[in-house]
Amino acid sequence: GGIITQTPKFLIGQEGQKLTLKCQQNFNHDTMYWYRQDSGKGLRLIYYSITENDLQKGDLSEGYDASREKKSSFSLTVTSAQKNEMAVFLCASSIWLGGRQNTLYFGAGTRLSVL
Amino acid sequence: GDSVTQTEGQVALSEEDFLTIHCNYSASGYPALFWYVQYPGEGPQFLFRASRDKEKGSSRGFEATYNKETTSFHLQKASVQESDSAVYYCALGSANTGANTGKLTFGHGTILRVHP
Repeated sequence: GGIITQTPKFLIGQEGQKLTLKCQQNFNHDTMYWYRQDSGKGLRLIYYSITENDLQKGDLSEGYDASREKKSSFSLTVTSAQKNEMAVFLCASSIWLGGRQNTLYFGAGTRLSVL
Repeated sequence: GDSVTQTEGQVALSEEDFLTIHCNYSASGYPALFWYVQYPGEGPQFLFRASRDKEKGSSRGFEATYNKETTSFHLQKASVQESDSAVYYCALGSANTGANTGKLTFGHGTILRVHP
């Protein structure tokens, strides 16, 4: 088995601040994802990465940057935090199956609050 | 684009009740369909999947059958327990393999509360 570790668990920021969330996985999976979870809106894809140094935009990429410098880690940056923003950011990983749908494994999330 | 609709935002049941959470999808071809469960303070966990018409997925007493005709993948359990209280997500993986990377499209989630 493996595990996905997200840090920090809780993040409080100020309006306009640049904030970075980190994710590590020891599954040795190729693909990693960042999803945003808002109450009543489900999970929406921000960025994903098929392999080291690859980055692909999801449906919600505006306002975010991402970085995949190692196979095991994937970081997400909120470029300018929005006032009163509250959301959970979920990191996930999966095996690359050449385009076929595969199972995602999630971390416990980073809970963001912006004052 | 692909989409998933979960009809119920919240479901409240008593222990041993029968559970149905409705999931309908919109996508071309034969996408893979998934159910995930999320307990408080944790990330979503894979429950099961199905990839072909009429295929049944199941795990921990939960089951769902892929129905291409009605574009549905409804989650059912015969007798729920208080420990089943959680948020349940239906999801689909695109059947378009040209640019697909295995990413999933999720529904909005259904909060299940089971009372003793």
